[in-house]
Amino acid sequence: KNQVEQSPQSLIILEGKNCTLQCNYTVSPFSNLRWYKQDTGRGPVSLTIMTFSENTKSNGRYTATLDADTKQSSLHITASQLSDSASYICVVSEAAGNKLTFGGGTRVLVKP
Amino acid sequence: GEEVAQTPKHLVRGEGQKAKLYCAPIKGHSYVFWYQQVLKNEFKFLISFQNENVFDETGMPKERFSAKCLPNSPCSLEIQATKLEDSAVYFCASSQGRSLEQYFGPGTRLTVT
Repeated sequence: KNQVEQSPQSLIILEGKNCTLQCNYTVSPFSNLRWYKQDTGRGPVSLTIMTFSENTKSNGRYTATLDADTKQSSLHITASQLSDSASYICVVSEAAGNKLTFGGGTRVLVKP
Repeated sequence: GEEVAQTPKHLVRGEGQKAKLYCAPIKGHSYVFWYQQVLKNEFKFLISFQNENVFDETGMPKERFSAKCLPNSPCSLEIQATKLEDSAVYFCASSQGRSLEQYFGPGTRLTVT
């Protein structure tokens, strides 16, 4: 069964600090891996998309990494801001049909 | 439009009543996806369309759930005889191509009492 596991479930960090979120997946065949940010009461918004051949991709203060051999990904947030408080969801797409498998998300709370 | 639009924002139904949710994809996007989000970010794929044709319906509870995407009309997701466990936020997403970026709408929160 295709699965996406994220850790930690939640974390609290101080404004200005960095943090790293983890994602492990078993989705096969693999097409791409996406990180989404979901603010409370809103739909998910894409941060990065990485295919099999990409190891790292940045979007401002967000940097995602992908190790397709170990089926692991991480999302690093640099110099966190209060607006980074949200759920971050790792999503893996199967090679056929663009069916997405969602992780359970990591809830990040940035405190001043 | 430039954003996926979903209506209504909130919907409350008594158990056994019908619920109908609507989604207007981004103009020019030919794929539409429906997801159900229950507690703690558990997203579940329901169904996808390529234009007005069902592309993948493997996630749909077929007994009570149905969906349509008709030309020149918003897509719809209908739940007959709602149950308490149908309470969730239902998200619609659209994309230009099958494997391209999916853009999500703001969701419809369905509460079944």
